[in-house]
Parts: sequence; C-alpha cells; structure tokens
Amino acid sequence: QKEVEQDPGPLSVPEGAIVSLNCTYSNSAFQYFMWYRQYSRKGPELLMYTYSSGNKEDGRFTAQVDKSSKYISLFIRDSQPSDSATYLCAAKTSYDKVIFGPGTSLSVIP
Amino acid sequence: EADIYQTPRYLVIGTGKKITLECSQTMGHDKMYWYQQDPGMELHLIHYSYGVNSTEKGDLSSESTVSRIRTEHFPLTLESARPSHTSQYLCASAAGDTQYFGPGTRLTVL
Repeated sequence: QKEVEQDPGPLSVPEGAIVSLNCTYSNSAFQYFMWYRQYSRKGPELLMYTYSSGNKEDGRFTAQVDKSSKYISLFIRDSQPSDSATYLCAAKTSYDKVIFGPGTSLSVIP
Repeated sequence: EADIYQTPRYLVIGTGKKITLECSQTMGHDKMYWYQQDPGMELHLIHYSYGVNSTEKGDLSSESTVSRIRTEHFPLTLESARPSHTSQYLCASAAGDTQYFGPGTRLTVL
C-alpha cells in the first residue's frame, strides 16, 4: 500500500465551480501535510502547509486534515482557468522525509 | 518565485553516455533533493543532502550519483545512461519543511 494516495483524475470543472481534491494516507505518524501545485512543464510549488488536524484557509484555497480518518482535502472556491494544474498532496512525520502522492490533474473550463 | 535552477531543461541522449544534470540554488538552503517523476506517478526521492559533503541515497534505487561540494550546487550524474533512465528529474531545496522545486530536466535516453 502506498503511503499517500490520491485519485489521478483528470478532473474537469466549469469556471466558478467549487473543487474538492482529496488524499488518503496510511502512516498514522504523519503530522505535517502539504499541497503542491504543478503546472505543465514546471516544478511543484507549495500551495498550503498544515500541521495536524484542522482547517487552514488562504484566499480561495482551504486545506483540511482529518487525522482520525487519515484524509486530506483541498477545496478551491470560485475556480479559475489559471487553477488548471496537477495538485500533489504530501505528508511527513516530525523526523522523516516528505512523501508525495501521485497528483490529481485538474482542468477548469472557461 | 524560488531561485532554483536546473540545466538542461531537455536532454535527448544515446545509451551509454555519461550525463550530468545541474541544479543550483541561490537561497543558501542546506537541504537539497533530487526526485524522479514519471507521468501519473508520485515523486520518488533518489538523493538528498543536508549540507556540504553530505549526501544520502533516497527511497528509490538509482544508478545515479550526486555531490555537494558547495552549498548552492547539487549535480546529479549518470555514468552510463540507459532507456530505463528516461524520466523527469526534479531538484529541490528546502527551508524547514518547505521545499522549493526547480523546473525539472526532461531526460530521454534512446
């Protein structure tokens, strides 16, 4: 079983929609959770960083972690065509390296 | 935008050739990483360094080698390229848990 899993998509939504991207993980020792956004032919860039369970909001983006169910979510409000990218979730323990999921490809259609 | 650079961006090379992928960062980060990324797959860590003269192999078995003689420079070398080395190679540096990625090198071995 992979430590971090996510549906690869592709996910296609109309502009303005609320997008929900999800990951599951298996290692209960993970405490730090991240979402990276990767545009085509570019390296990933950090979008959101959260510690333990709870919500974190940054503009149109909300990251949610539920440690009881080992579930990580990223919500995008009022999605824009510029949000079209691959979204990678990632997790780590307090002492180990970051583990990345395979990414979900998102297309926002104007 | 993160100041981390990779060259070349694209490389097509024949089997058996020796190649070096360059990675440089100007942020003074001690931690640097090399990942391999294939379409629809998670990033696989192949090498990392926590400072000058420190290098470690990652989770993915790799026939490549790295060196860290200067803080800002973390080149990856393949002594004899094979078609199985065809992939995207991403370099990253980190401050704390936040990793900053370069644009990647797309390597094709014929």
